[in-house]
Amino acid sequence: DIQMTQSPSSLSASVGDRVTITCRASQSISIYLSWYQQKPGKAPKLLIYAASSLQSGVPSRFSGSGSGTDFTLTISSLQPEDFATYYCQQSYSTPRTFGQGTKVEIK
Amino acid sequence: QVQLVQSGAEVKKPGASVKVSCKASGYTFTSYYMHWVRQAPGQGLEWMGIINPSGGSTRYAQKFQGRVTMIRDTSTSTVYMELSSLRSEDTAVYYCARAIAARYDAFDIWGQGTMVTVSS
Repeated sequence: DIQMTQSPSSLSASVGDRVTITCRASQSISIYLSWYQQKPGKAPKLLIYAASSLQSGVPSRFSGSGSGTDFTLTISSLQPEDFATYYCQQSYSTPRTFGQGTKVEIK
Repeated sequence: QVQLVQSGAEVKKPGASVKVSCKASGYTFTSYYMHWVRQAPGQGLEWMGIINPSGGSTRYAQKFQGRVTMIRDTSTSTVYMELSSLRSEDTAVYYCARAIAARYDAFDIWGQGTMVTVSS
């Protein structure tokens, strides 16, 4: 199984801050990497697919980069509605695996 | 609009089985694989398995092999996930999620989730 490791597990940031979350795969997954945002009591929402492609309707302040084993999700200017938990997920092979999540909290 | 609507919350006793449904609408049901993901209270996301709504083939996570069954009904555009021999650790929200091959199999549409509580 491919292990996905996110860092940090949590972070505190202020509105307007630039935030970066990293995700590392235990083996190369090309660009088969997605990022999801989840708010309490809600289903996850797709933000980024294919490592760097923005899902339709997602604000452009979200961006993704990376390939192989190392990936990042960047929020260029944190907005109040962005406080949530973020997960990376590989779709390179089965079983699909998720990172453990990064909780973005208000500073 | 494209949506997945899941069945309602369930409370089950240890050892029982639960069957959760996920009804698709707004798109061609047989054109997209469907996955099941669960989330225990306060925990992360855990992948359970995948079903091809076209042919009905399935693949399950090793952890659930022998306890989980995923089936589909093309006449109603519904997929089902049945989990047997329930234990307290199976208490979780269960989600169905559509995978879109054109987007590297990302999960672009999710159901609203079904809370399954296992308690004596």
